[in-house]
Amino acid sequence: KNEVEQSPQNLTAQEGEFITINCSYSVGISALHWLQQHPGGGIVSLFMLSSGKKKHGRLIATINIQEKHSSLHITASHPRDSAVYICAVSGGGADGLTFGKGTHLIIQP
Amino acid sequence: DTEVTQTPKHLVMGMTNKKSLKCEQHMGHRAMYWYKQKAKKPPELMFVYSYEKLSINESVPSRFSPECPNSSLLNLHLHALQPEDSALYLCASSQDLTSGRRSPTGELFFGEGSRLTVL
Repeated sequence: KNEVEQSPQNLTAQEGEFITINCSYSVGISALHWLQQHPGGGIVSLFMLSSGKKKHGRLIATINIQEKHSSLHITASHPRDSAVYICAVSGGGADGLTFGKGTHLIIQP
Repeated sequence: DTEVTQTPKHLVMGMTNKKSLKCEQHMGHRAMYWYKQKAKKPPELMFVYSYEKLSINESVPSRFSPECPNSSLLNLHLHALQPEDSALYLCASSQDLTSGRRSPTGELFFGEGSRLTVL
């Protein structure tokens, strides 16, 4: 069974700061997903990665397959980035996605 | 259209009621999912449909009954629920499942969820 660990669990930062959220997993995967969930709301897919790096606006996601590690970076953070960020992996023998516990991010103005 | 639409957004029901949650997507996706999410927890997979057939049932109690009438629609029928079933129910879709029929191919698109309260 794949274990997905995220850090930190909670993060409070000031507007404009550079944010990094980390994710590690224990078993080889076919893809890693970064998801965003606002309080009480649905989930939005930010990235799906199987190798390398992807960028979308102020968000950057990287993955190192050998080290079984991924990072999500937010540049020039803004209060609207406040949300729970979830790392999830597919493959590795499990059904569907295996989710991390999420990182609760608060960006203060 | 990259939306997954879920109705209703909120549902309150008694333990003897029968109700249904509905999910719709028009992206041509062939895999659709039901997840259950309790507060401050990650989503838990309940069911996966592939090409309108049930592919995965994660040992969900029979008081939850899924149905996939066509490739765009996914229902979750609820009957004789318990208060501990109160949660956010999320529908999702993906292009397909992997050859092992166990994981999504491509991104997962989620709906906004249906928040269920069982009294």
